Amino acid sequence: EAGVTQSPTHLIKTRGQQATLRCSPISGHTSVYWYQQALGLGLQFLLWYDEGEERNRGNFPPRFSGRQFPNYSSELNVNALELEDSALYLCASSSLDISHTIYFGEGSWLTVV
Amino acid sequence: GEDVEQSLFLSVREGDSSVINCTYTDSSSTYLYWYKQEPGAGLQLLTYIFSNMDMKQDQRLTVLLNKKDKHLSLRIADTQTGDSAIYFCAESQANYGGSQGNLIFGKGTKLSVKP
Repeated sequence: EAGVTQSPTHLIKTRGQQATLRCSPISGHTSVYWYQQALGLGLQFLLWYDEGEERNRGNFPPRFSGRQFPNYSSELNVNALELEDSALYLCASSSLDISHTIYFGEGSWLTVV
Repeated sequence: GEDVEQSLFLSVREGDSSVINCTYTDSSSTYLYWYKQEPGAGLQLLTYIFSNMDMKQDQRLTVLLNKKDKHLSLRIADTQTGDSAIYFCAESQANYGGSQGNLIFGKGTKLSVKP
């Protein structure tokens, strides 16, 4: 069974541009979570989607947004990129039935230059 | 507010036991987790424990939970060089609409295993 998959693996953008990151959850999982892992800042919760709805949001500005599609895959969009947005963006998924098991993908490395 | 604290580094010799400690603050957390991250990789779920349990054992891994002191530990028996990685402790936020909601992570403990 495939795990959580993320694309692209690496992305280089210029300051001010927009970045779009994608995530496919484990089959049967309806919840998708996004985390940012920036150097020196640890893992910070960004967004949680379930059944297409945004359920919770971390302490990030509105230029961080996302959505969840009917097939439960998800996109994270970062507008007006800043240098400090450079980080590893991790997606995770879980099932409400077994929601104590939250599995992560390998992440997308975003570099803003 | 919620906070999870871990020591940043641990160094052990191959074959010894490793004990990684974690303290958390949210007494309403229902599940506590240990994740492993190898260089350049994502997070691998190692194990988790429900808050009404004191101990959970899974092969070489033993998790101990002291709910009164809000202290969680991960013991790795017979530590191998392949266990070298960063280990993250995480607590789930209080139930949100029936689900576990998001996780609050510690900053991670870098385990170095010397041959």
